Amino acid sequence: SAVISQKPSRDICQRGTSLTIQCQVDSQVTMMFWYRQQPGQSLTLIATANQGSEATYESGFVIDKFPISRPNLTFSTLTVSNMSPEDSSIYLCSVGMRLLHEQFFGPGTRLTVL
Amino acid sequence: GDSVTQMEGPVTLSEEAFLTINCTYTATGYPSLFWYVQYPGEGLQLLLKATKADDKGSNKGFEATYRKETTSFHLEKGSVQVSDSAVYFCALRPGGTSYGKLTFGQGTILTVHP
Repeated sequence: SAVISQKPSRDICQRGTSLTIQCQVDSQVTMMFWYRQQPGQSLTLIATANQGSEATYESGFVIDKFPISRPNLTFSTLTVSNMSPEDSSIYLCSVGMRLLHEQFFGPGTRLTVL
Repeated sequence: GDSVTQMEGPVTLSEEAFLTINCTYTATGYPSLFWYVQYPGEGLQLLLKATKADDKGSNKGFEATYRKETTSFHLEKGSVQVSDSAVYFCALRPGGTSYGKLTFGQGTILTVHP
């Protein structure tokens, strides 16, 4: 399995500011994913973070709003830029473990934008 | 594109009652199917999985069978406990990939009363 930690666990931010969320994994993984869970809703994939290349964004999500870094095989960051109240969500980091055919999730970062 | 539909919630049961949460999917090929659980205040955890037709996933008394003919993966438990109160998500991963993006259903809130 994989142990995933995220920082911060929660934050309250002002409109127009940016927040960077960190994701750390205890083993090397090829692919990392960032999801968003809006209040009372399901999880939606934001992007796939590939080490050594640009992240791949899903429809409705753009790099200018959600820039992602993936400097090595155990770490990634997601920035939520120019925040508005509509960005209030839980943001989750996830990793795929090929040999286990499983995907593991971090504990999430609960973001509130005022 | 791929999609997952779960029965509408919330579901409220008494302890020791039988539980069924319906899940149907739309996907090309042969996806892998998952049930994830999110306990109050905690992150997302894999509950069980099935990677091919007629497979039965099971864990903690929960079961689900991958039915290709009805494109379903219904979650069942014979006798629920108060500690099973959580949000349950059905999800699929496209066939032919050992890991990759997950498509989630909308989630079903389960509340079990003593």
